[in-house]
Amino acid sequence: QKEVEQNSGPLSVPEGAIASLNCTYSDRGSQSFFWYRQYSGKSPELIMFIYSNGDKEDGRFTAQLNKASQYVSLLIRDSQPSDSATYLCAVTNYGQNFVFGPGTRLSVLP
Amino acid sequence: NAGVTQTPKFRILKIGQSMTLQCTQDMNHNYMYWYRQDPGMGLKLIYYSVGAGITDKGEVPNGYNVSRSTTEDFPLRLELAAPSQTSVYFCASSRSRNTGELFFGEGSRLTVL
Repeated sequence: QKEVEQNSGPLSVPEGAIASLNCTYSDRGSQSFFWYRQYSGKSPELIMFIYSNGDKEDGRFTAQLNKASQYVSLLIRDSQPSDSATYLCAVTNYGQNFVFGPGTRLSVLP
Repeated sequence: NAGVTQTPKFRILKIGQSMTLQCTQDMNHNYMYWYRQDPGMGLKLIYYSVGAGITDKGEVPNGYNVSRSTTEDFPLRLELAAPSQTSVYFCASSRSRNTGELFFGEGSRLTVL
């Protein structure tokens, strides 16, 4: 059974701080890694994806991947109250479907 | 473009009733999926399709059926509804199976009493 694990939270950070969200996965052959944001009562939306070891930056968001440690993270710089949501980590391998983690609930306090 | 459209948004069923959740996409995506999301449990794959006429089971298929007669439509059928099927259901589509973005519908909240 392929698993993706995340801390359920809630993770609370003050406005302007860096929020760090973590995800580990069990399938060592995983190739593609995604972060989805889901506001309460809404559907998930893609915010970042990463395929290679290292960092990938997009605006205030940075995804970090370490395949040797089977670990992927999402950093949100200058956190805003509008970033308050549940963040879902998704992992997949070639020819396989996405496997989602349970999500981490982030609360950014004004 | 409408993207992925699901209906209905809300439904209450009695135990043993049946219903169909409708899903249609206008992006000409070959891949379509049905997920369920229970509180704190993330998204679990029920069924998926890699193209018209081709469907396959996901992680939690029991109690559900699907069909894919056209590229656009991927309905999910619940037979003999049970309280365990109370959940939020999301339909999604993608251009590729595991390297591209999943586009989600707005979700259907189903309660079985």
